[in-house]
Amino acid sequence: EAQVTQNPRYLITVTGKKLTVTCSQNMNHEYMSWYRQDPGLGLRQIYYSMNVEVTDKGDVPEGYKVSRKEKRNFPLILESPSPNQTSLYFCASFASSYEQYFGPGTRLTVT
Amino acid sequence: RKEVEQDPGPFNVPEGATVAFNCTYSNSASQSFFWYRQDCRKEPKLLMSVYSSGNEDGRFTAQLNRASQYISLLIRDSKLSDSATYLCVGLNTDKLIFGTGTRLQVFP
Repeated sequence: EAQVTQNPRYLITVTGKKLTVTCSQNMNHEYMSWYRQDPGLGLRQIYYSMNVEVTDKGDVPEGYKVSRKEKRNFPLILESPSPNQTSLYFCASFASSYEQYFGPGTRLTVT
Repeated sequence: RKEVEQDPGPFNVPEGATVAFNCTYSNSASQSFFWYRQDCRKEPKLLMSVYSSGNEDGRFTAQLNRASQYISLLIRDSKLSDSATYLCVGLNTDKLIFGTGTRLQVFP
């Protein structure tokens, strides 16, 4: 089954404690992306990757890092989380058709 | 001004009704548009693509008006299961821009 998986699905953490949200896709897509979704602001792109070892900033990259060492994985790293990073995070991948497949989401709360 | 704008709703309609949403976009260079459906606290899923003059898929019809820079989504014979948030998405130079969504609530 074609899918994008994310872990963890829910996370409550404290300010400053480094965390990683993993993302994996099994569709051999070259393009992967991370979004955050906040009430009234819609989906905003954090980082994206066009291929292995190629990453670029989206609209709201501050406070986040990513890496793309393998085609299937695209982890999102928060080196020092802050309360304003409390949000719903989605990973997505797509091929040339631009139909994005989204992961199930990670609900992050930073206290 | 947001690049893709939608009326947040909610649109409350009875089963069987026809409902239409509009979405406006500000960048005339946007190449393609899409409608995604998002259920509460779930991931968005592609509903349909909108190319050139639009397309139809069962009860759903999407139209693109480049002159007025808006996209519409028409849902006929609404079902309870159509209750969701509908996201308008524009594509501009490999970048997808998401609207904030229009919430639809279909009641019995």
